[in-house]
Amino acid sequence: NAGVTQTPKFQVLKTGQSMTLQCAQDMNHEYMSWYRQDPGMGLRLIHYSVGAGITDQGEVPNGYNVSRSTTEDFPLRLLSAAPSQTSVYFCASSFRDGSYEQYFGPGTRLTVT
Amino acid sequence: AQSVTQLGSHVSVSEGALVLLRCNYSSSVPPYLFWYVQYPNQGLQLLLKYTSAATLVKGINGFEAEFKKSETSFHLTKPSAHMSDAAEYFCAGVNTDKLIFGTGTRLQVFP
Repeated sequence: NAGVTQTPKFQVLKTGQSMTLQCAQDMNHEYMSWYRQDPGMGLRLIHYSVGAGITDQGEVPNGYNVSRSTTEDFPLRLLSAAPSQTSVYFCASSFRDGSYEQYFGPGTRLTVT
Repeated sequence: AQSVTQLGSHVSVSEGALVLLRCNYSSSVPPYLFWYVQYPNQGLQLLLKYTSAATLVKGINGFEAEFKKSETSFHLTKPSAHMSDAAEYFCAGVNTDKLIFGTGTRLQVFP
């Protein structure tokens, strides 16, 4: 059981470039989410999904796109990277059983220059 | 709607001393509350969670938290700090089916 996996671990982008952060889970969790972590701000929800084909915006969705074509995968796309998107990104997943207990991936550290 | 507030962005203790990390919540309904720990360069790991079954919740690594409705608090404690407890700790609650996090408290443990 790999849990929640994220790739890459580190990434440097130039302003205006695009990229996709990958997230996968092998626990058959219905719920998946993306957070960004910035110093002094805790974790803020970017987008989330309650099942394949269903996504919704979180607290800070601007500049990010997501899709959920399978239960296992939930990629996060940056269409035109900006320095303000420099952050550590975490993917998390959980069952939709009312426990709200989320399992987190190891994170992707993104720097936009 | 629920929110959580962590008091103190940094806490320093000596090894063997009591650890107390503070979290207050705002909610008009019985809350779901969590404490997560993040070790350097790692993801978040669940320490413990409150789900109204008991007001004193025991978690991993000797941590526990007490839900106090009268004080709207869910503070995290450990009787005796260990060097390995140095990490960032996040309190979290549930708001409209989504997990929301406090701003975090970094715990330093000195020998």
